[in-house]
Amino acid sequence: GAVVSQHPSWVICKSGTSVKIECRSLDFQATTMFWYRQFPKQSLMLMATSNEGSKATYEQGVEKDKFLINHASLTLSTLTVTSAHPEDSSFYICSASLAGVVKNEQFFGPGTRLTVL
Amino acid sequence: EDQVTQSPEALRLQEGESSSLNCSYTVSGLRGLFWYRQDPGKGPEFLFTLYSAGEEKEKERLKATLTKKESFLHITAPKPEDSATYLCAVQAGGSQGNLIFGKGTKLSVKP
Repeated sequence: GAVVSQHPSWVICKSGTSVKIECRSLDFQATTMFWYRQFPKQSLMLMATSNEGSKATYEQGVEKDKFLINHASLTLSTLTVTSAHPEDSSFYICSASLAGVVKNEQFFGPGTRLTVL
Repeated sequence: EDQVTQSPEALRLQEGESSSLNCSYTVSGLRGLFWYRQDPGKGPEFLFTLYSAGEEKEKERLKATLTKKESFLHITAPKPEDSATYLCAVQAGGSQGNLIFGKGTKLSVKP
């Protein structure tokens, strides 16, 4: 199956600092990548959809100036949490779509646990 | 509004005790329904995609079925290693491909 990696797997930072999370598709090219957030005992909530070479599409209620997404290549998307605050602490998960190869399937990364002190 | 509801929230089974998990959905034009397994602290692991009512797919002890309103994940003779949270998600027609997830069913299988 398709493999998606994320780095780092966990990060602890001080309030007010910025954190960058990388999402890579290791053995396929992903024209579309998705960023989700998951709070404890809650389901995955879509934050934004990222298409290679274009601006990300953010879901309602997600601040695009706070959560910067860059999809610079067909195998890499990054999420930067700017001026992080404790309420941003969550489990961030990316996925990559194989649309056009295997119909509509998405494969997920292992997630990044962000803790903001 | 597109919505996915999973039940029960939690399910405890004895090893070998078969059962089913339910996923009810309302979506404008279903493009696909997905089942994932998620272990604590990890990303979802893909299990199945179902595209049309009447479709069934099997993988080891798991079998997924789909109707126009719901999907079932049947677990036959589960083992402790099947313990995980099982997530159901739908993809709506006209979307960019993003998934709408249910809250999941946490399955615990006791030896």
